[in-house]
Amino acid sequence: GENVEQHPSTLSVQEGDSAVIKCTYSDSASNYFPWYKQELGKGPQLIIDIRSNVGEKKDQRIAVTLNKTAKHFSLHITETQPEDSAVYFCAAKAAGNKLTFGGGTRVLVKP
Amino acid sequence: DARVTQTPRHKVTEMGQEVTMRCQPILGHNTVFWYRQTMMQGLELLAYFRNRAPLDDSGMPKDRFSAEMPDATLATLKIQPSEPRDSAVYFCASGFGSGGGDTQYFGPGTRLTVL
Repeated sequence: GENVEQHPSTLSVQEGDSAVIKCTYSDSASNYFPWYKQELGKGPQLIIDIRSNVGEKKDQRIAVTLNKTAKHFSLHITETQPEDSAVYFCAAKAAGNKLTFGGGTRVLVKP
Repeated sequence: DARVTQTPRHKVTEMGQEVTMRCQPILGHNTVFWYRQTMMQGLELLAYFRNRAPLDDSGMPKDRFSAEMPDATLATLKIQPSEPRDSAVYFCASGFGSGGGDTQYFGPGTRLTVL
């Protein structure tokens, strides 16, 4: 089955700096890669996603890049703000609608 | 603002008791997922349904867990009997699956504590 590795597990950045989270996946058939943000006591919330026919996607301060050959994708957050502090999960979809999640990255933005 | 709802939000019970968690998917969504989140295992898929039919429950301990969709607006996850190792946050997510349909929207979760 699919295996998704996520790094780093924790990330501390200064407000205004950029944050980058990287994920690798194992199944070359995976074709959909969402990123979720989870705040304390809440469910994961979709923040951006990318499909395998696209190499990059951007939404305001958030961007995701995908390298299908290397089987890795990354989340980039620019101009970080304290409200960006949360746990971020990457995921990959291969067979059916099943998502396999990475282990999560706890991001702390220091004011 | 359409959302997935889950009840109860918190549940504390004693070992051996039955636990039932409920989920109302977003209206119009035809795919429902149950996940379990723990610090050790992260987010694990337990089961999922398409058009109310179970498609995959391979992640669920069959001897004590059961998942059903009595109708399109209600999904249930039952644990009987519950054990301390079942303590976790259980999330329901819904989506519209039709080939390329993939996006899953999560509910707020049910935090289960089994003493």
